[in-house]
Amino acid sequence: SQQGEEDPQALSIQEGENATMNCSYKTSINNLQWYRQNSGRGLVHLILIRSNEREKHSGRLRVTLDTSKKSSSLLITASRAADTASYFCAMDTGRRALTFGSGTRLQVQP
Amino acid sequence: DAGVIQSPRHEVTEMGQEVTLRCKPISGHDYLFWYRQTMMRGLELLIYFNNNVPIDDSGMPEDRFSAKMPNASFSTLKIQPSEPRDSAVYFCASSLSDSGTEAFFGQGTRLTVV
Repeated sequence: SQQGEEDPQALSIQEGENATMNCSYKTSINNLQWYRQNSGRGLVHLILIRSNEREKHSGRLRVTLDTSKKSSSLLITASRAADTASYFCAMDTGRRALTFGSGTRLQVQP
Repeated sequence: DAGVIQSPRHEVTEMGQEVTLRCKPISGHDYLFWYRQTMMRGLELLIYFNNNVPIDDSGMPEDRFSAKMPNASFSTLKIQPSEPRDSAVYFCASSLSDSGTEAFFGQGTRLTVV
């Protein structure tokens, strides 16, 4: 079974709007990472947040982490059509291999 | 570096045939991971290696699956005999040993077993 669940499963927004994706996980983590996957391609790392951090920014990306609720969110501000992709959270639970969530499919309409 | 390189990109084979997927990790990375992606089960870890040694193969679905890493620059995932339910996209990824570092993924091999 998957370690993480993401919601929504799919999200459709207009260009310029913000997109928020949520991830919930089940066990303790060392860090949580977010990845992006374009159709037919491999996953690309976006951002990493450690368990002792609460918020992190990278360009138009903002990630929050609440370890008490075992949840994280990814916010993409001022979305662009090129942001259309699937987004996955990935948990580093200490065993070195990442466990991935179920993913959110984001569609940004131009 | 060209990144993680997987071959072939696409493979169509008949049920019962042997399939071998190949991966070249990023030079200097000492962790290598094999994942499988399907619509139903998402991304599943199959096996991972550290310094060419298999560390955790608990995700390998059956004895029909085997993986090797004969050296730091090459790994194979073999399915023998293949079955239609093995149809999926298989990803190889590599990373450095420092805790908390990102994984770099290849483009994947789309396997179709008919």
